[in-house]
Amino acid sequence: AQSVTQLDSHVSVSEGTPVLLRCNYSSSYSPSLFWYVQHPNKGLQLLLKYTSAATLVKGINGFEAEFKKSETSFHLTKPSAHMSDAAEYFCVVTLTGGFKTIFGAGTRLFVKA
Amino acid sequence: GAVVSQHPSRVICKSGTSVKIECRSLDFQATTMFWYRQFPKKSLMLMATSNEGSKATYEQGVEKDKFLINHASLTLSTLTVTSAHPEDSSFYICSAHGSRSAGANVLTFGAGSRLTVL
Repeated sequence: AQSVTQLDSHVSVSEGTPVLLRCNYSSSYSPSLFWYVQHPNKGLQLLLKYTSAATLVKGINGFEAEFKKSETSFHLTKPSAHMSDAAEYFCVVTLTGGFKTIFGAGTRLFVKA
Repeated sequence: GAVVSQHPSRVICKSGTSVKIECRSLDFQATTMFWYRQFPKKSLMLMATSNEGSKATYEQGVEKDKFLINHASLTLSTLTVTSAHPEDSSFYICSAHGSRSAGANVLTFGAGSRLTVL
């Protein structure tokens, strides 16, 4: 069975400091992993995706994530937070080839001035 | 890039009426489309998977007679909320899967439709 666990429901950082949003997954198959961002009352925007190529994945807006199979983790990071990064972030796993998606519960990122 | 258009973005209706939400893939053929429901401050819940030309597969607990899904073409899937009630008020999001010539399959989300039932 597949599952996704986002370890923090809320993360609060100061502007200019690093961001770490944690995600662990469980999958019986080779997973594809994604991070999406959702701003209030908006749809989902793809930040980055891992599909069995390079384990360190760079995304938009300075975000990156590292796939660690031994730890079954896919944590999202950014060196320096910006006020515009405040949003809800979802870690998502899909079955390769099937594209049935499992969403994490989400992590709300707060950025303080 | 792959674009999915969802319409309407917002809809308000009276209790007992039916509402149709469209999900279109604009620049690729979507062999599979997914419909999700998002409750306030919650994650997305997969409602159903629809494949072009066949019946949708509903997740456990989702009423198929309540949420009618049609995927009549490779670029259009519709979700109809029948006899809507206030508890059906929610944010509904679709996603579409289509193969790309570049090799990496694409799963793209629509912007969502906020349904409010009065």
